[in-house]
Amino acid sequence: GQNIDQPTEMTATEGAIVQINCTYQTSGFNGLFWYQQHAGEAPTFLSYNVLDGLEEKGRFSSFLSRSKGYSYLLLKELQMKDSASYLCAVKRLGSYIPTFGRGTSLIVHP
Amino acid sequence: NAGVTQTPKFRVLKTGQSMTLLCAQDMNHEYMYWYRQDPGMGLRLIHYSVGEGTTAKGEVPDGYNVSRLKKQNFLLGLESAAPSQTSVYFCASSYSGLAGGKETQYFGPGTRLLVL
Repeated sequence: GQNIDQPTEMTATEGAIVQINCTYQTSGFNGLFWYQQHAGEAPTFLSYNVLDGLEEKGRFSSFLSRSKGYSYLLLKELQMKDSASYLCAVKRLGSYIPTFGRGTSLIVHP
Repeated sequence: NAGVTQTPKFRVLKTGQSMTLLCAQDMNHEYMYWYRQDPGMGLRLIHYSVGEGTTAKGEVPDGYNVSRLKKQNFLLGLESAAPSQTSVYFCASSYSGLAGGKETQYFGPGTRLLVL
């Protein structure tokens, strides 16, 4: 099975940097996704990591350490529109369906 | 392309009533999924399909049935609705689920269901 942990809620200030962590335990790792979900809307894809290291995409970066079962999503130059839930999802080797964590609600205030 | 669409957007049912939620995708995706999302619980997989004519159970399948008669459509049925099925239902699709692939899922806008 899989166990995925994320903080329930985080707050940050506009213009700042925030790091959202995701830890997982799985029998055979095969990729980790990050999704963004605004209130009342569908999740949308942000990033995918399968190898160790940092993937940068504009203001958003995602990091993976397979040996530690750890990932984080880094959001720079925070904007009010970044207030949303951020979902971590892990895909296990041999399974084609990712398992989602409970999500982290990020509140950005002025 | 419309992507993934869901019908209806919102519905109120009485306990014991039945209904069908429709999901349609125009991206020629093989894989389709139904999730429910409840506060504090994240997305939980109800049923999924790896191709036309196939379905399989997910994490929380009890009380639901599904059908995939056409590749582009995935139906979720509630035969006898219960208040515990009050939730937001999301449909998703992806090209395939090959292990090792990137294969991001594309989600529909959701159906909000209230069972009284």
